[in-house]
Amino acid sequence: QKEVEQDPGPLSVPEGAIVSLNCTYSNSAFQYFMWYRQYSRKGPELLMYTYSSGNKEDGRFTAQVDKSSKYISLFIRDSQPSDSATYLCAIPGYGGSQGNLIFGKGTKLSVKP
Amino acid sequence: DTAVSQTPKYLVTQMGNDKSIKCEQNLGHDTMYWYKQDSKKFLKIMFSYNNKELIINETVPNRFSPKSPDKAHLNLHINSLELGDSAVYFCASSQDAARGYGYTFGSGTRLTVV
Repeated sequence: QKEVEQDPGPLSVPEGAIVSLNCTYSNSAFQYFMWYRQYSRKGPELLMYTYSSGNKEDGRFTAQVDKSSKYISLFIRDSQPSDSATYLCAIPGYGGSQGNLIFGKGTKLSVKP
Repeated sequence: DTAVSQTPKYLVTQMGNDKSIKCEQNLGHDTMYWYKQDSKKFLKIMFSYNNKELIINETVPNRFSPKSPDKAHLNLHINSLELGDSAVYFCASSQDAARGYGYTFGSGTRLTVV
């Protein structure tokens, strides 16, 4: 099993929809969880950074971590065409992999006006 | 003022050539990285340097050699380029490597080997 799994999509939604993006992970020792947004031909930019279980909200974005089921989610409310991008979940490596980021494969989101 | 900058943005070269990509960060971070993003958009660590010392070297052919002259710079030199090296290479830096805190990526170098 890969360390971080993410449905690659693509996902297409109408403007104003609620979007749900998800990842699962295998190592219960992971503590920190991130979501990155990557626009076409740009570098990934940090969207949300969370520690342990629970929710974190920032504007229209909510990150959710459920450590009991090793499941992380990103919700986007009132989605806008400018949200069209690839969303990547990322987890800092543990033990021998400490320091690197382990990425999911990314979900490509398209928000149609 | 760009936090993590890498040059060049685009690089088209022939098989067998040697090329370098440069990266600089002005964030004062101690740790810098090289990541490779393949055609399917999968991002994978290649190297990690902390204060000019190599700390992670994933399974990367030894044709790839990173060099860090100081903690603000991490360059990537690639010898004898192959078609399979075509990808986007991202430089990154972080403030707290263990917690992944402050991880910042450059805008990427798109390498095409023909």
